Amino acid sequence: DTGVSQDPRHKITKRGQNVTFRCDPISEHNRLYWYRQTLGQGPEFLTYFQNEAQLEKSRLLSDRFSAERPKGSFSTLEIQRTEQGDSAMYLCASTKLNFGGTDTQYFGPGTRLTVL
Amino acid sequence: DQQVKQNSPSLSVQEGRISILNCDYTNSMFDYFLWYKKYPAEGPTFLISISSIKDKNEDGRFTVFLNKSAKHLSLHIVPSQPGDSAVYFCAVRQETSYDKVIFGPGTSLSVIP
Repeated sequence: DTGVSQDPRHKITKRGQNVTFRCDPISEHNRLYWYRQTLGQGPEFLTYFQNEAQLEKSRLLSDRFSAERPKGSFSTLEIQRTEQGDSAMYLCASTKLNFGGTDTQYFGPGTRLTVL
Repeated sequence: DQQVKQNSPSLSVQEGRISILNCDYTNSMFDYFLWYKKYPAEGPTFLISISSIKDKNEDGRFTVFLNKSAKHLSLHIVPSQPGDSAVYFCAVRQETSYDKVIFGPGTSLSVIP
């Protein structure tokens, strides 16, 4: 399978705990994105990387959230001191930079987080 | 304030008939428009796109129409098939911001056999 993969697929945690999610993009893709999707809404942009550089962060990404892409390949998203409002589907997407403006983002299956 | 609106949360269509999904956006700076389809327990999958220099793009059973003056786009699926049952997200992008795609809230399409 050469698509975007995410691990774990489901995570249930207690409020106040830390959680970490992993995303493995398509191998030749140099851009990686994190989105959050809540019930009845479309994916909302959180942050993105070009290679290992984090180039933009949404104001949705509070100080409790941190994302890394240390070697420009896989990425991790950590949430510290989780809150019930963090319960959502966390989606990762990747693309290959194309200055023609037609770079399509390919999504992984997501990690569903439930904070009790 | 939602920049991309899909005012129909759900739509039911008989198999073989046309499905029309609508989307409105607020910012005339958006210049690239996409539709994604999402099945349960899967991530969104790219379906079709259109640049602001066009008003129509067709790919098999799927056609996207863009009306820039009205800031409106629509996705037509004809003929509709039961396998088309999914949530459809309209998404927009601005050329000067390759990185950021803004999604609408989605329309859940049910195609009834």
